[in-house]
Amino acid sequence: GESVGLHLPTLSVQEGDNSIINCAYSNSASDYFIWYKQESGKGPQFIIDIRSNMDKRQGQRVTVLLNKTVKHLSLQIAATQPGDSAVYFCAENIEETSGSRLTFGEGTQLTVNP
Amino acid sequence: EAGVAQSPRYKIIEKRQSVAFWCNPISGHATLYWYQQILGQGPKLLIQFQNNGVVDDSQLPKDRFSAERLKGVDSTLKIQPAKLEDSAVYLCASSPSGSYNEQFFGPGTRLTVL
Repeated sequence: GESVGLHLPTLSVQEGDNSIINCAYSNSASDYFIWYKQESGKGPQFIIDIRSNMDKRQGQRVTVLLNKTVKHLSLQIAATQPGDSAVYFCAENIEETSGSRLTFGEGTQLTVNP
Repeated sequence: EAGVAQSPRYKIIEKRQSVAFWCNPISGHATLYWYQQILGQGPKLLIQFQNNGVVDDSQLPKDRFSAERLKGVDSTLKIQPAKLEDSAVYLCASSPSGSYNEQFFGPGTRLTVL
């Protein structure tokens, strides 16, 4: 299953399928990107990050791809499990003289059906 | 390692009343953030502290919101007077000083203004 940008905030997949969550960021000066997972009633939880000098980074069951040309970020979750059901946010970081600033996207609700 | 602590977890007040939220960051984390998360949206940064100094408060509605971190550890966020549109989850996060550091989020305080 795949979400398309910020205009399709929900994604429903079957358990065991791969999921792809997409994010379009706005600032070409952003140099660091993070994916967060937020379960109901909890704060966002770090999943994986990537710096702007990379185009791919892999973690356990998750891969983040960065395309700076079109300012696009995606999160791939392999073998999606019911415990992956949550809202996923991408966040872009800009280093300013005053420090780092994170700007969050709208989020995508991932639902995993057993 | 203990996470970011926040209290209260829930608060219901009437408009024009005052409310305060408390945050205890992860021990040793120099940077503390307060975010506002309206239902269905990503977190929005309100204020960022580096130790006990304000780094960024450009998105803080200063006519009604205030925050302090007097000793560079705990922080409080206050709203006075509250408006209906302040209903949201208020998230506190902390990170070590320096660039490209993961922000660790607390569970948030859900505020309902009636």
